[in-house]
Amino acid sequence: EAGVTQSPTHLIKTRGQQATLRCSPISGHTSVYWYQQALGLGLQFLLWYDEGEERNRGNFPPRFSGRQFPNYSSELNVNALELEDSALYLCASSLLRLLQTKSNEKLFFGSGTQLSVL
Amino acid sequence: LAKTTQPISMDSYEGQEVNITCSHNNIATNDYITWYQQFPSQGPRFIIQGYKTKVTNEVASLFIPADRKSSTLSLPRVSLSDTAVYYCLVGSLNRDDKIIFGKGTRLHILP
Repeated sequence: EAGVTQSPTHLIKTRGQQATLRCSPISGHTSVYWYQQALGLGLQFLLWYDEGEERNRGNFPPRFSGRQFPNYSSELNVNALELEDSALYLCASSLLRLLQTKSNEKLFFGSGTQLSVL
Repeated sequence: LAKTTQPISMDSYEGQEVNITCSHNNIATNDYITWYQQFPSQGPRFIIQGYKTKVTNEVASLFIPADRKSSTLSLPRVSLSDTAVYYCLVGSLNRDDKIIFGKGTRLHILP
């Protein structure tokens, strides 16, 4: 069974440009989460999508946005890139569904997209 | 999600047993405790999950006391490849929750 896949592996952009990062969840998973991890720091929660809808977002400006497609894959868009956006962007998927209160779901992460803003 | 507190870093030697404790005083009745491992430039990987008492798998053991206000991840006979950051998550996932990772514990295994 294929794991969570992310593309591209590396992305180099300049300030002011836009970046698009993609994530394919594990087959059957409907929830996708995005995290930002700057060098040497912890994971910062960005966005959570489930069943095609944005369910929650972290404390990031609106220039961080995304969407989830009918096949549950997801895209993260970062507009007007700034130098401090340079980080590893991680996507995770789970079987958790909205309104499901089951507590023991696990997250499965991809290997991430390393975004460098010059 | 319940707030968790872990040591920032730990050092140990190859072949030793390593125990990493996580405090979660406001754990809720429905909450599970989940541990993840992260190597540099990779996504975290699930290690073990439990609700109470003891859970063991091929990688680690998880000890949870009766009050569930803390938990201890035990790694038997560590090797250099166990050098990583370990995160403890406590939660009951629902639509209002953001799955927040703490700072984790940076474990450094020495030869």
